[in-house]
Amino acid sequence: DAGVIQSPRHEVTEMGQEVTLRCKPISGHNSLFWYRQTMMRGLELLIYFNNNVPIDDSGMPEDRFSAKMPNASFSTLKIQPSEPRDSAVYFCASSLNQPQHFGDGTRLSIL
Amino acid sequence: AQSVTQLDSQVPVFEEAPVELRCNYSSSVSVYLFWYVQYPNQGLQLLLKYLSGSTLVKGINGFEAEFNKSQTSFHLRKPSVHISDTAEYFCAVTPSEKLVFGKGTKLTVNP
Repeated sequence: DAGVIQSPRHEVTEMGQEVTLRCKPISGHNSLFWYRQTMMRGLELLIYFNNNVPIDDSGMPEDRFSAKMPNASFSTLKIQPSEPRDSAVYFCASSLNQPQHFGDGTRLSIL
Repeated sequence: AQSVTQLDSQVPVFEEAPVELRCNYSSSVSVYLFWYVQYPNQGLQLLLKYLSGSTLVKGINGFEAEFNKSQTSFHLRKPSVHISDTAEYFCAVTPSEKLVFGKGTKLTVNP
């Protein structure tokens, strides 16, 4: 079975640009999670969806961040405009109940 | 709300030695518990989980953990480590969907 697929694996862009991260969950999973990992703050849950509906977005840092899940097989996390402090590894995970299965992440660098 | 404390940020050990990585949690409700492993430049991989039943849980790669409700602990153990076990290990808890992670423990296995 294919795992959670994230793209791109690496992204380097300049401050102020729009960044879009993509995630394809495991087929049949009904929950999808976006996390951010940094040295300073560790793993933080940004938002999660259940059956394509956002359930909890309390971890989204500010209005510059938005996430969508238009269907059961695709989700995006967008940052607009991006700032250097957004540099981190962003993970997507999916689950059907428990446990969560993680993708390999997108390493984002904002210059 | 739940919280997780991983008591050691770094654990160096020699190859073939036993290891214990400690995890304590706080929660006012029953929780599920997990250990994940993260190898460099990869996502998180599930090592083992406690959902219910026997408090001694066996996972992949020879790891096991014991759920101790009275001490609110879920320590991870391996009787004999290999160089390939060098990685970062995360303890996580959830009462339902949202995982709360500890800060992680970096295990370094030296020859």
